[in-house]
Amino acid sequence: DAKTTQPTSMDCAEGRAANLPCNHSTISGNEYVYWYRQIHSQGPQYIIHGLKNNETNEMASLIITEDRKSSTLILPHATLRDTAVYYCIVRVLSGGSYIPTFGRGTSLIVHP
Amino acid sequence: KAGVTQTPRYLIKTRGQQVTLSCSPISGHRSVSWYQQTPGQGLQFLFEYFSETQRNKGNFPGRFSGRQFSNSRSEMNVSTLELGDSALYLCASSLGRRDRGFRPLSGNTIYFGEGSWLTVV
Repeated sequence: DAKTTQPTSMDCAEGRAANLPCNHSTISGNEYVYWYRQIHSQGPQYIIHGLKNNETNEMASLIITEDRKSSTLILPHATLRDTAVYYCIVRVLSGGSYIPTFGRGTSLIVHP
Repeated sequence: KAGVTQTPRYLIKTRGQQVTLSCSPISGHRSVSWYQQTPGQGLQFLFEYFSETQRNKGNFPGRFSGRQFSNSRSEMNVSTLELGDSALYLCASSLGRRDRGFRPLSGNTIYFGEGSWLTVV
């Protein structure tokens, strides 16, 4: 089972910031939070990941709460091409490897 | 640099046949993992390879197998295809780094390919 909880769907106006929340209350101390997105019929695209500190790259920003039980992915200026399913994952250590367990994610629709 | 490359992109097979899918990881990545994605089950882990050795395996029947070559390229094979094997098969690669205790590093980012769409009729 996925170790994260996300809203099923969200929408956002083009040009505005999209803030996607994620709860991961059972995260352990050395586990990273990863964000991917998947556009229909394509493979998941890596967006960003973080451990404790907030992170920013050319695609997005990641805000992690101090207790690390939740995080928010921020797309600062959403475009129509950002319409996708966004997955927040905390990988599970199983059989000697970190296995990503994808839940249902958040379906983000960016509208004109 | 080039991303994870999977071939073929689309294919149609008949029940009972077998299929081989290919994956070329990002240059320098030694870990390759495979996943199956279906609308009903979501994205499920199949297996992971590192340095030509299977390092981990998901809960799939023995009809699903894989291998990795010395150049880190990987193939997966599904024998005796069933209708339920219709899915998007995804390959992902990562550096596969481990700490001195040979424990996997949780910060190894994995990168996915575009996937191979398999339809079994």
